[in-house]
Amino acid sequence: QVQLVESGGGVARPGGSLRLSCSVSRFSFSAYGFHWVRQAPGKGLDWVALIWYDGSKKYYSDSVEGRFNISRDNSKETLYLEMNTLRVEDTAIYYCARRDPYSGAVDYWGQGTLVTVSS
Amino acid sequence: QSVLTQPPSVSAAPGQKVTLSCSGTTSNIGNNRVFWYQQVSGKAPKLLIFDNDKRPSGIPDRFSGSKSGTSATLDITGLRTGDEADYYCGTWDISLNIGVFGGGTKLTVL
Repeated sequence: QVQLVESGGGVARPGGSLRLSCSVSRFSFSAYGFHWVRQAPGKGLDWVALIWYDGSKKYYSDSVEGRFNISRDNSKETLYLEMNTLRVEDTAIYYCARRDPYSGAVDYWGQGTLVTVSS
Repeated sequence: QSVLTQPPSVSAAPGQKVTLSCSGTTSNIGNNRVFWYQQVSGKAPKLLIFDNDKRPSGIPDRFSGSKSGTSATLDITGLRTGDEADYYCGTWDISLNIGVFGGGTKLTVL
């Protein structure tokens, strides 16, 4: 069974930074692209960013463009989301999710990590 | 405001059938494959349907998906109380180059 595990969530001040990580098992990390998707408390799913399998392409939602950076280290089989200039409205559960290679959509999801931005 | 449109809620009795809808445009559903996810309260989303109508291993055939034009549907037959969850449709928008989801439909099994 495909497995993705996020870590790095916690509390940050507005204007602060946080880095999330995601490790995977039971499939080849370097063969797939990955998304980050978030879900604010009581709200729906909100797509954040995508990175291709080789890191050659990255895409961001307008709400995080210029503040967040998605990256990967294929030698460590780890996905990252560097979040800077955090805002209260960035408070959410952040999910790492695998990219379906044919459609680009999300297929499998991690269990999520909670990020709280509060003063 | 979600890019894909889903009704906020639907309800039905145990044993009945329910149909969940998801509407998009030619740059997403109309020219790409639709995925459906089930999210039980307090849990992460789980893949239910991929490529419009395919079920991953372990998903019962009570769940079925279809697509026509710029809309997709998820049918659930033989409803059980354990099916109570939020259901989301999603895909990749090939024009905007962003991931897109519906706002989710909350299913209540009365």
